[in-house]
Amino acid sequence: GIQVEQSPPDLILQEGANSTLRCNFSDSVNNLQWFHQNPWGQLINLFYIPSGTKQNGRLSATTVATERYSLLYISSSQTTDSGVYFCAACVNQAGTALIFGKGTTLSVSS
Amino acid sequence: DTAVSQTPKYLVTQMGNDKSIKCEQNLGHDTMYWYKQDSKKFLKIMFSYNNKELIINETVPNRFSPKSPDKAHLNLHINSLELGDSAVYFCASSQGGAGTAETQYFGPGTRLLVL
Repeated sequence: GIQVEQSPPDLILQEGANSTLRCNFSDSVNNLQWFHQNPWGQLINLFYIPSGTKQNGRLSATTVATERYSLLYISSSQTTDSGVYFCAACVNQAGTALIFGKGTTLSVSS
Repeated sequence: DTAVSQTPKYLVTQMGNDKSIKCEQNLGHDTMYWYKQDSKKFLKIMFSYNNKELIINETVPNRFSPKSPDKAHLNLHINSLELGDSAVYFCASSQGGAGTAETQYFGPGTRLLVL
């Protein structure tokens, strides 16, 4: 099955800094999502982005499907950005489900 | 107007007991899922149902039995609970079937602790 790898595993930032999180996947995908798991454990949809670029406020994401990677950009980080960021991907095959990476744990301090 | 809801949010129980977790979605989606997040925060698919039909059944002990009374509900029953079942269980739903290009929406999770 598809492999999803995220880097870095951990990231520590000062408030206001920018960061880039990376997700590599081993096969062609028809579904790629980024999630933020906040300190209370909630999984929040950030982006559905199997290809192209999207922006939502201080967050943006780019997926280069032909090169099998996706990037999540966080600009002007805030303490509320802390948590775990997951990338999950799915191949175009009936009966398959999202495969999650191991996540990037982000800590933003004031 | 919660999209995907789960009950209970917390479940503390003794080894050997049987328990159920309920999930409901009001998005009109056809497909529902159960994922398990272990103590290292790794998320893995357990089951998927499409319009009440089992589509995905990963290598999960048969003590776990999903039940879908209708396409808006997917419940998870666990028999003879073991310590290793302690985890967070997430329900999710999507419009299309598993493997299709559709956003999956997750519930708030149920934190199960087996003592």
